[in-house]
Amino acid sequence: KQEVTQIPAALSVPEGENLVLNCSFTDSAIYNLQWFRQDPGKGLTSLLLIQSSQREQTSGRLNASLDKSSGRSTLYIAASQPGDSATYLCAVSNDYKLSFGAGTTVTVRA
Amino acid sequence: DAGVIQSPRHEVTEMGQEVTLRCKPISGHDYLFWYRQTMMRGLELLIYFNNNVPIDDSGMPEDRFSAKMPNASFSTLKIQPSEPRDSAVYFCASSFITGKEQYFGPGTRLTVT
Repeated sequence: KQEVTQIPAALSVPEGENLVLNCSFTDSAIYNLQWFRQDPGKGLTSLLLIQSSQREQTSGRLNASLDKSSGRSTLYIAASQPGDSATYLCAVSNDYKLSFGAGTTVTVRA
Repeated sequence: DAGVIQSPRHEVTEMGQEVTLRCKPISGHDYLFWYRQTMMRGLELLIYFNNNVPIDDSGMPEDRFSAKMPNASFSTLKIQPSEPRDSAVYFCASSFITGKEQYFGPGTRLTVT
């Protein structure tokens, strides 16, 4: 069974600082890895999808890396803003099935 | 596209009542997924469909839960009878191809008293 762990569980940083969110998974036979953002009381918004053959993906201030052999992914958010405050979820796909981490709750202080 | 649509957004019901949650996937998506999110267990896959056919329902917690997809644009998740421990947020998601990006609906927050 795929186990996904996200560290830290919560993070508070001042505005402008770079954010580093970590995700680890136990089964490296994955199809892809997806990072989501969830605002309180809201649904999930997909941020980045990394295919198993890729090493990284970038979108604006976001960059996600994938090291499948070691079972790790890192989401970098550059120059954080108060609007980046949310919970970030990592999800690993083994075929159709997405296995989610518990998330990292980020607070960016103005 | 309007994205994945779920209704109702909030549902409050009494223990023992039947609850029906609805989902409309993104047009053209062949895969539909139902998830449940709780504080204790996080996000869990309940069941998924491919071309309207249930493929894996191993995540459905009990026989009280059932899901159908009568056509490509509509799915229901039914709980009968409901219990307080079913209180959670239920998400529907869809994707075009298995192993590709899943798009989530806004969720239905269910409270069973």
